[in-house]
Amino acid sequence: GAGVSQSPSNKVTEKGKDVELRCDPISGHTALYWYRQRLGQGLEFLIYFQGNSAPDKSGLPSDRFSAERTGESVSTLTIQRTQQEDSAVYLCASSLSRPEGTQYFGPGTRLTVL
Amino acid sequence: ILNVEQSPQSLHVQEGDSTNFTCSFPSSNFYALHWYRWETAKSPEALFVMTLNGDEKKKGRISATLNTKEGYSYLYIKGSQPEDSATYLCAFSNTGNQFYFGTGTSLTVIP
Repeated sequence: GAGVSQSPSNKVTEKGKDVELRCDPISGHTALYWYRQRLGQGLEFLIYFQGNSAPDKSGLPSDRFSAERTGESVSTLTIQRTQQEDSAVYLCASSLSRPEGTQYFGPGTRLTVL
Repeated sequence: ILNVEQSPQSLHVQEGDSTNFTCSFPSSNFYALHWYRWETAKSPEALFVMTLNGDEKKKGRISATLNTKEGYSYLYIKGSQPEDSATYLCAFSNTGNQFYFGTGTSLTVIP
C-alpha cells in the first residue's frame, strides 16, 4: 500500500515569504507527527495530531509555525515570514492509532530559506 | 526540553562482530521509547516501540531491552553486516504528546 507522502520534496524560498508543507499519511492512520532536522542537528519533534486535534503545540519553535489537519488525513505545516534558521528537512510520520504505535516516515521536504 | 542521550556517538565494527548501543532518558513519567534506523538519504525506519519496563523486543539479528526505572534502553546487533550501517536513533516520550530524540549512534560495519 501507499506510504506517507510529502510535498514538495524540495522548496527554496526567500526570507520573509510564507511556505506550506504538505503531508499525506497512510490511509487509516489517526496519529500524525511533524519533525524537522536542521543541518548538523538531531531530529526535533514539532507537533503531534491525534485525529484532527493537536494535544500539545508547545514543540512548535515559534508563533510563525502553525499546523493543521483535516479529515483525519492530510496535514499542512505552515511557516510564516520564513527565516534562514528555518532551513531544514521537515519530516512527517503517521501511526495507526495511539502515540506508542509504530511511526512510518515520509521522504521529507527539504526547505532552504535564502 | 528533556535530555535523551545516546552512546557511543559513532561506532566502527568489523563484519560479524556483535555490538550494542545505549539510550538514556529521564526515569520519571515514562510513556514509550522508540528505536529507529536511519540510513543516509532515506527516511527513518521504525525498529521497536517499547512501553513496559523489562520489555525485550527482537527483529532478526537486532534486539532491544528497556529499563524504565533506571532510564535506559540497549539496542543489540548480533553478527553485524555491512547493510546494518546506519544511524540508530531512540526517541523518548513522557506523555505520548511529544517525542524527544537522541542524537543517534552512527554505525559503520566494515566488510
